Amino acid sequence: EAGVAQSPRYKIIEKRQSVAFWCNPISGHATLYWYQQILGQGPKLLIQFQNNGVVDDSQLPKDRFSAERLKGVDSTLKIQPAKLEDSAVYLCASSPTYQYGYTFGSGTRLTVV
Amino acid sequence: SQQGEEDPQALSIQEGENATMNCSYKTSINNLQWYRQNSGRGLVHLILIRSNEREKHSGRLRVTLDTSKKSSSLLITASRAADTASYFCATALGGGADGLTFGKGTHLIIQP
Repeated sequence: EAGVAQSPRYKIIEKRQSVAFWCNPISGHATLYWYQQILGQGPKLLIQFQNNGVVDDSQLPKDRFSAERLKGVDSTLKIQPAKLEDSAVYLCASSPTYQYGYTFGSGTRLTVV
Repeated sequence: SQQGEEDPQALSIQEGENATMNCSYKTSINNLQWYRQNSGRGLVHLILIRSNEREKHSGRLRVTLDTSKKSSSLLITASRAADTASYFCATALGGGADGLTFGKGTHLIIQP
């Protein structure tokens, strides 16, 4: 089966600019997650979708981050305006439910300068 | 906040030896999962162990879970150079908001 697709693979922006990441999960996976992984740390959950509804966004910095999952399939994560500390790899993952392992995409490496 | 903490933070062994990594967590869980991450790439799911299970095997991997001690271990037997990677444990609480919480990982280096 096809994996989780993410784009772009790399992005370099200046602080205060905006950026968007795209994710296409595995077909049929109802649950989609966005994680932020800062260098040397484990992934940190930003937001969880179940179909097209938000289940958990308690760790999403809502003043600058937003995410949507239209029609319960693809998802986009946006940062506006970006800060230096947003430099990280942004990982998308999908799963049938929490009873199963996640399938991760390759991630988008964001550098804010 | 990070629920799981792996130990050690870094581990270097000779090819062919066994590698053991430990994970401790703080709250009751539905399941615990181990993932591998090669440098610069996404995470790969290795194994999932449910809270009512004590041990699970998958190829050269053996995972144990002790819910009374809130700890888990991952054993990789007969290590290979290709096993060089970072290994993360992640816990699922279950229920609605069930996003995995990851530890900081163990960086494993297999010396040829």
